[in-house]
Amino acid sequence: DAKTTQPPSMDCAEGRAANLPCNHSTISGNEYVYWYRQIHSQGPQYIIHGLKNNETNEMASLIITEDRKSSTLILPHATLRDTAVYYCIVRAAGGTSYGKLTFGQGTILTVHP
Amino acid sequence: SQTIHQWPATLVQPVGSPLSLECTVEGTSNPNLYWYRQAAGRGLQLLFYSVGIGQISSEVPQNLSASRPQDRQFILSSKKLLLSDSGFYLCAWSPSGVYGYTFGSGTRLTVV
Repeated sequence: DAKTTQPPSMDCAEGRAANLPCNHSTISGNEYVYWYRQIHSQGPQYIIHGLKNNETNEMASLIITEDRKSSTLILPHATLRDTAVYYCIVRAAGGTSYGKLTFGQGTILTVHP
Repeated sequence: SQTIHQWPATLVQPVGSPLSLECTVEGTSNPNLYWYRQAAGRGLQLLFYSVGIGQISSEVPQNLSASRPQDRQFILSSKKLLLSDSGFYLCAWSPSGVYGYTFGSGTRLTVV
């Protein structure tokens, strides 16, 4: 699976949008971009995933650049409960890495009052 | 709806003792199952994954083993724990295809 690069930490004011970037310049055509988050002492929580189109659900929006080499996770109105480590993961839908998620170090997002 | 159960939540074991952590999934059939470990202050490391009963793939050579005796049951074991086995163990499942994972609540293991 392609490697991802994320900033180690980010801050956001409560009520503002949090924009978390991720670079995945070596992504290949069959690889999806996934976002998870982990709140302290809990298991990771799935947020969203996409292939090449922008995606939105009740939790967040995912913006993937046209060349697919980077993406941004957007939390539209961050709350204190959104403070967590956010992981951007690239994963193939098949092949030898089928089904496996490889977690990097992620971005520690801190939402301030 | 699908649910994943993992127990116990915390465990303190002496060095050299055996280990058995169990994970079960409800509400789905033939899930892909995974065991991850997270050492203190570190990222998640994939230990084992399984795409079916009796089918186990190991990602990292170690003191641990995994088994899948039933479709929705995944067990992580060790015959003799080491201090380095301490960590936060997470079980996860996913349907086949491109869907995301659902993680259990984890077991915090401390080997003393």
